[in-house]
Amino acid sequence: QKEVEQNSGPLSVPEGAIASLNCTYSDRGSQSFFWYRQYSGKSPELIMSIYSNGDKEDGRFTAQLNKASQYVSLLIRDSQPSDSATYLCASKAAGNKLTFGGGTRVLVKP
Amino acid sequence: KAGVTQTPRYLIKTRGQQVTLSCSPISGHRSVSWYQQTPGQGLQFLFEYFSETQRNKGNFPGRFSGRQFSNSRSEMNVSTLELGDSALYLCASSLGQVLETQYFGPGTRLLVL
Repeated sequence: QKEVEQNSGPLSVPEGAIASLNCTYSDRGSQSFFWYRQYSGKSPELIMSIYSNGDKEDGRFTAQLNKASQYVSLLIRDSQPSDSATYLCASKAAGNKLTFGGGTRVLVKP
Repeated sequence: KAGVTQTPRYLIKTRGQQVTLSCSPISGHRSVSWYQQTPGQGLQFLFEYFSETQRNKGNFPGRFSGRQFSNSRSEMNVSTLELGDSALYLCASSLGQVLETQYFGPGTRLLVL
């Protein structure tokens, strides 16, 4: 079992709709969680970080964390074709090592 | 602030050779982490350097090594290259604490023939 699990997709959403991405983790010692976006051939760029249970909103993005269920999610509202990318969920336990999920590929169709 | 820089961006080597990759972190960041990304294995942690010391290490063979200089710049070396070492090598810069974000450089794409 991988430490961080994501559905590989592709998740296909129409333009303007909400994209919902999910991630589960197995290490209960995980303290911080990150969502990165990666376009094909490019490096990951940070979208959101979240450390406490609940929701965190930044523009069109909302991250949700539930430590009891070991679950992290990302909502993308008003999805745009430019949001088409692979979204990587990552966690950190003690130390500064990021553990990544396999990524969810998102396709936003005009 | 300038972002994370990595050189070279592309590299072609043959089996058995060695390679050295370089990473310059964001100014003020003392932690540099290295990751390998392949289609089959995804993003995997190689090691982290903080204040010139290796602080964390992933599950890679000893052919993969690194170091960090006093200006926080880091180098990664892979000796006796194998075909399976073909990958995108990413370095990430941060302040070094568990709640701090890591910012990635553009990566070095290595092809081993």
